[in-house]
Amino acid sequence: EAQVTQNPRYLITVTGKKLTVTCSQNMNHEYMSWYRQDPGLGLRQIYYSMNVEVTDKGDVPEGYKVSRKEKRNFPLILESPSPNQTSLYFCASSSQGQGELFFGEGSRLTVL
Amino acid sequence: AQRVTQPEKLLSVFKGAPVELKCNYSYSGSPELFWYVQYSRQRLQLLLRHISRESIKGFTADLNKGETSFHLKKPFAQEEDSAMYYCALSSTGTASKLTFGTGTRLQVTL
Repeated sequence: EAQVTQNPRYLITVTGKKLTVTCSQNMNHEYMSWYRQDPGLGLRQIYYSMNVEVTDKGDVPEGYKVSRKEKRNFPLILESPSPNQTSLYFCASSSQGQGELFFGEGSRLTVL
Repeated sequence: AQRVTQPEKLLSVFKGAPVELKCNYSYSGSPELFWYVQYSRQRLQLLLRHISRESIKGFTADLNKGETSFHLKKPFAQEEDSAMYYCALSSTGTASKLTFGTGTRLQVTL
C-alpha cells in the first residue's frame, strides 16, 4: 500500500532530551516535508526537501533539523526539545511538480 | 508573502442544509488553490484543487480572483461530511510552497 509512515505516533519526553521522528514513504516521491499543527494556527511548514541531499527551511524551522540521505526517508530531529515544541507533527510527500501532498498519520509529541 | 485565511473555526449545519466554507487568500501572482480534508481518525487528504474544476463528494470550489476567494460549497450536507477542512495555496503549482489556512471544522447534525 502506498503511504507515508511516521514513528513514533505518540511520544512524551522531557526538555533537552534529543529525539528523532522518522518518516518514510514508499511512493518514490522526490518531495518531502514536515508540518506542525497547533490549535488556531493550522499547519505550518517546518522544513522541506526537494530531493536527496536538498533541504530548505519552511516557516517555523527554529529548534529543528532534518536530513535527506535517502529518497524514501526524511527524519525530523529535535536536538534539545522545549515545551513550545509540544505539537502534532505531520510528514508529507509529493511527486515532483505536483500539488497533491500525501500525509502521514501524525506524531503527537509532548515535551515536559 | 502568501497567506490563507479561513475565518470560521467551526461551522455547524443541519443535514440537508447547504454548506459554504470560506477561504480567502492574499498573493500577488497566480496561485493554485486546494482544499484538504481530515476525517476523524484518518489522514489529511486532498479533496479538490481549483485547476481540475471537478466536483468531489458533491463539493465544488470556484476561484474568484477578484475577491481572492476559494470558498468550498455543497448544496446538501451529509453527516459523513463532518471533518476538518483546510484551504491551501501554492505559489508554484507544486507542493513545495503550500501554505495552509487555520482550518474550519464542519459539524453536520441531524
